[in-house]
Amino acid sequence: DARVTQTPRHKVTEMGQEVTMRCQPILGHNTVFWYRQTMMQGLELLAYFRNRAPLDDSGMPKDRFSAEMPDATLATLKIQPSEPRDSAVYFCASGDTGRVTEAFFGQGTRLTVV
Amino acid sequence: DQQVKQNSPSLSVQEGRISILNCDYTNSMFDYFLWYKKYPAEGPTFLISISSIKDKNEDGRFTVFLNKSAKHLSLHIVPSQPGDSAVYFCAATYNFNKFYFGSGTKLNVKP
Repeated sequence: DARVTQTPRHKVTEMGQEVTMRCQPILGHNTVFWYRQTMMQGLELLAYFRNRAPLDDSGMPKDRFSAEMPDATLATLKIQPSEPRDSAVYFCASGDTGRVTEAFFGQGTRLTVV
Repeated sequence: DQQVKQNSPSLSVQEGRISILNCDYTNSMFDYFLWYKKYPAEGPTFLISISSIKDKNEDGRFTVFLNKSAKHLSLHIVPSQPGDSAVYFCAATYNFNKFYFGSGTKLNVKP
């Protein structure tokens, strides 16, 4: 059963702390997306990778957010230092550009920064 | 600047009736459109899609209509069922580069 796996599912942290969210894309998928869901904006694209290379991270606050793909099975999104306004659900999705189709989403990481 | 907009944050429909969810976009480069369904505490799941070369795609109770001249698409659910209650996101992409999502419409189907 192929699925996108995100860890942790929930994270509560204090303002100023570093937060790292992890994503395991579906095996064989070559595109990975990071989205943030907020009440006001819906699903905002933060960054996406193709074949592990970052193609666009213009949606990400550069001063505190960073996204990487150390290998094809792991994508990370890091916030340092975290702020209360970062509280949201962060989704990872993966896709296969070999066929134009949907992106498959993980269950998300609910981040609360207090 | 949101390129995909869902102007109705919520919709309430009686079971058995038609649900119509609307979505507008601004970028004429988009060539593929999708609808996702999201239940609480879960990630969005793909529901139905349509290519820009078509104006209608049907899958069971779900039909997506695309009006390119108006830059508008809609999702019709007939008949609506209580299990359809969820948040529905429309999304658009071109060349599968990025998926741009709307802000979502929360559908409540009342028994």
